[in-house]
Amino acid sequence: AQSVAQPEDQVNVAEGNPLTVKCTYSVSGNPYLFWYVQYPNRGLQFLLKYITGDNLVKGSYGFEAEFNKSQTSFHLKKPSALVSDSALYFCAVRRTGGFKTIFGAGTRLFVKA
Amino acid sequence: DTAVSQTPKYLVTQMGNDKSIKCEQNLGHDTMYWYKQDSKKFLKIMFSYNNKELIINETVPNRFSPKSPDKAHLNLHINSLELGDSAVYFCASSSLNWTGNTGELFFGEGSRLTVL
Repeated sequence: AQSVAQPEDQVNVAEGNPLTVKCTYSVSGNPYLFWYVQYPNRGLQFLLKYITGDNLVKGSYGFEAEFNKSQTSFHLKKPSALVSDSALYFCAVRRTGGFKTIFGAGTRLFVKA
Repeated sequence: DTAVSQTPKYLVTQMGNDKSIKCEQNLGHDTMYWYKQDSKKFLKIMFSYNNKELIINETVPNRFSPKSPDKAHLNLHINSLELGDSAVYFCASSSLNWTGNTGELFFGEGSRLTVL
């Protein structure tokens, strides 16, 4: 079985400060890990993915994520937050060879000017 | 040119009615999905088709019936609508196929269903 946990319902950060949105996962076998962002009344947009290789993955809009196999984590990071980054962020997992992508409950990010 | 498009964007209907949502993707993907997002924004996978074949069928009431006339289209028909069906339904597509690949999901803008 696959599962994703996003332990924070909400993350608040000041503009210009670094941000981290946490994610841990559980999957049998090797995971494919994803981050998506959802703006109000919109569909989800893909940000980045980890497949294999380098544990630090870079994605869209200056976001990056760090894969940690021993901690089964895939935290989303950005060195300097923008007000426009305020949105709902979803971590997702799919096992290698599978078709089913499972999403976490989402973390709402508020960036204050 | 929208990659994954859903119609209608909004549906308001009475309990007991039947409704359909249509989805089309122009990305040339082999795999399409329906997800349900509830009022708490939780996303639940419902169905998936690969090249018109049903490959994922989660524990969804059988009032929900997906249909894929070709690999670019995936429709969702809901019979005897109930209050609890109110949600946003998202269609998504992916380049995933049986030989693997790491395809991420491309989502439509969602169809907000309100059952009164």
